[in-house]
Amino acid sequence: GENVEQHPSTLSVQEGDSAVIKCTYSDSASNYFPWYKQELGKRPQLIIDIRSNVGEKKDQRIAVTLNKTAKHFSLHITETQPEDSAVYFCAASKDGNKLVFGAGTILRVKS
Amino acid sequence: DGGITQSPKYLFRKEGQNVTLSCEQNLNHDAMYWYRQDPGQGLRLIYYSQIVNDFQKGDIAEGYSVSREKKESFPLTVTSAQKNPTAFYLCASSPSLEGSQYFGPGTRLLVL
Repeated sequence: GENVEQHPSTLSVQEGDSAVIKCTYSDSASNYFPWYKQELGKRPQLIIDIRSNVGEKKDQRIAVTLNKTAKHFSLHITETQPEDSAVYFCAASKDGNKLVFGAGTILRVKS
Repeated sequence: DGGITQSPKYLFRKEGQNVTLSCEQNLNHDAMYWYRQDPGQGLRLIYYSQIVNDFQKGDIAEGYSVSREKKESFPLTVTSAQKNPTAFYLCASSPSLEGSQYFGPGTRLLVL
């Protein structure tokens, strides 16, 4: 079955810097890749997603890139702010199969 | 934040007691899920259901049971066989099995 690995497990950046979180997946048939943000004690919330027919997608300060050949996708956050501090989860799925989540990355933005 | 609800917000379990966590959604989603999250950890799948009257075990189903008698409801029972139940339990739903999942606010289960 699908396996999703996420790196790094923790990431500290200075406010205003960029943050990048990378995930690799094992099943080349996977075609849907969402990212979730979970603030402390809250529910995970979908922040951006990408499908395999697209190489990059942006939404304001957040972007996701997908490299199908290398089977990895990344979350990019630019101009980080303290409210970006949270746990971020990547996930992958293919038609007819449920999402498989990565282990999560704790992002700390230092002001 | 509406659409998928969980109750109660906090739940206390005594030794040997079964407790049931509620999850309801009004999004008309076919698929529903239960996850367990321990402090500082990721999401571990307990059970999921693709359709009414059908459900599948996830990675850590032992000590838990579920039912899916209605499309909008997917209750989770933590049985006395679950020896370490203290955790944050998250319910989720999605339009289809492979689609985006939307999470409820969670139930925090504590053992007395």
